[in-house]
Parts: sequence; structure tokens; C-alpha cells
Amino acid sequence: DVKVTQSSRYLVKRTGEKVFLECVQDMDHENMFWYRQDPGLGLRLIYFSYDVKMKEKGDIPEGYSVSREKKERFSLILESASTNQTSMYLCASHSGRSGNEQFFGPGTRLTVL
Amino acid sequence: GENVEQHPSTLSVQEGDSAVIKCTYSDSASNYFPWYKQELGKRPQLIIDIRSNVGEKKDQRIAVTLNKTAKHFSLHITETQPEDSAVYFCAASKRQAGTALIFGKGTTLSVSS
Repeated sequence: DVKVTQSSRYLVKRTGEKVFLECVQDMDHENMFWYRQDPGLGLRLIYFSYDVKMKEKGDIPEGYSVSREKKERFSLILESASTNQTSMYLCASHSGRSGNEQFFGPGTRLTVL
Repeated sequence: GENVEQHPSTLSVQEGDSAVIKCTYSDSASNYFPWYKQELGKRPQLIIDIRSNVGEKKDQRIAVTLNKTAKHFSLHITETQPEDSAVYFCAASKRQAGTALIFGKGTTLSVSS
């Protein structure tokens, strides 16, 4: 079974804090993704990475950055958290081969006060 | 980039009825269309997918149809059961290096007994 894990299930931070969300997958997948999920807005792509040290902007990259120093780990960084970044953050990974399933992590519920 | 529209946003059916969820996509180069189910408090999980060289695919009570010309695809659930209650997401991608799944906004399906 593919395992995609995220460092925290729940996180509470203050406005202006730097926030790190960590994601680890154990199946040697090439591609990793960060989405945020908000009611009525579905799953919106923030950033993704198709190789170590490679990153691509998704649909809503503003206010976020990412880091992928190792193949199994993909970090989402909020440089200066704001209240509008309160959301559920979902990490996902995919092997990179056509048709293979994309697996999601359990999600991190981030609240910014 | 790709844009995926999903309808309806909510769907309520009686147990045993059929449910249909429809999606349209904008990028004619997209060739992979998965459907994910997300139960309350859990991560999205793949339930069925279809590639652009296939018009229909079935797996027990669920089926997906694809009309490439019209750029729309649909999820059909027959003989619905209370455990089918969840949020369903459609998605589309080109499934090649450097691309990501783009999701619709989701449909909340409620099956009442």
C-alpha cells in the first residue's frame, strides 16, 4: 500500500508566522502535489513537483512556496501566514506513469488566527 | 490551463435510485479522467477512471462515460446505498511529465434510506 503521510493533522498558527507543512511518500513516486480544500471550491492546486528540486506553480501559488530536496519529501511553506490561508491542505503523490492512481495524504487542517 | 466544471454541487437521492454527476473540461489535450470519493473526515480515494481512448467503463454499480467531442464525462451510480453518501470529485489531466490533475469543485451526494 502506498503511504502518503503529512506531519500534522491539525495546526494552529498566528498571523505572520512562517509555517511548514511536510509530506512524505514511501513509494518512490516522481510526482508530488499540494492542494488546498475549501467548502464549495473543491481541490485547488497550489504547487507540484515532478522531480527533486523541480517545482511548478499550480492555480493558486500566491503566498506559498515549496521545497523538494529529497524524492520522498515535499514541503509547503507559508512565508507569512494570513487568515485567508486557513484551510485543509492535502498532499498527493503519483508515480509519473500514465494512468496510475494519485494517492492523497490525510490532510492538515491549518487555522491561522 | 485546464478548467473542470462539475454539476450538480449537491445531489439527494433515495436509496436504490440512480445518481449522475457531470463534468466538462476545457483542454482538448486532456486524456485521463479519474473520479475520487471523499467520505467525511477522510482523504479522497480513486473509485474509477477512464482514458480518452475509451468511451465507457463500468465497475459493479459505478460507470463512467466520456464524450471527447463535447469534452464532457459523467459518473453514474446505480442502486445507490447510504454508504455512497460522500463528496465526489471529477478531474482531468494530460497525464504526462510536468502536468497535474485539475479537479472540479465536487458534488455532495446524500443517499437517504
